[in-house]
Amino acid sequence: GQQVMQIPQYQHVQEGEDFTTYCNSSTTLSNIQWYKQRPGGHPVFLIQLVKSGEVKKQKRLTFQFGEAKKNSSLHITATQTTDVGTYFCAGPLQGGSEKLVFGKGTKLTVNP
Amino acid sequence: DTAVSQTPKYLVTQMGNDKSIKCEQNLGHDTMYWYKQDSKKFLKIMFSYNNKELIINETVPNRFSPKSPDKAHLNLHINSLELGDSAVYFCASRRTENTEAFFGQGTRLTVV
Repeated sequence: GQQVMQIPQYQHVQEGEDFTTYCNSSTTLSNIQWYKQRPGGHPVFLIQLVKSGEVKKQKRLTFQFGEAKKNSSLHITATQTTDVGTYFCAGPLQGGSEKLVFGKGTKLTVNP
Repeated sequence: DTAVSQTPKYLVTQMGNDKSIKCEQNLGHDTMYWYKQDSKKFLKIMFSYNNKELIINETVPNRFSPKSPDKAHLNLHINSLELGDSAVYFCASRRTENTEAFFGQGTRLTVV
């Protein structure tokens, strides 16, 4: 069935290094969203991408939506300890766009 | 004011008991969700309601029964609790399809 795959599951970096997480869908998505969950916290919305090939930036974070609208990435430049957490992509899948399905997430740890 | 609030935050109970988790949103959103997050941090959608009507019912044991008395509330009742039900349960809401989801703080359920 339709699903959203996300890799890697874990990523350990030194502070100052870059980080990227990738999300792939088996079907075309109308949009994709990204969320961040801090340790012990709840998922918090970061951004939504809608257009094919769209690129959006939020300070050190760059989000991309693939041309075929089946994949997306989140890239963090020069990670900081405040970037620690689990990053999830989410998309509206089978059953209608009300069904917001999350990828398995990438847990980022940053060594100071 | 908290946008999406869940109670209780922690719930420890014995196997076989019945328990409820309450969720309220003050954002005026039409769609509400229940997600289960297991120890590996996977966020799995359980139910979705739109304006008090059940829209999505994933493959969830029928021991789990959602109830939406009005569109601002979505409660989750669990019968005959099992060890495998231990997880963090998140309530979420969003205004319409393809908009950002707002999550509650989560309810950590521990079944002993």
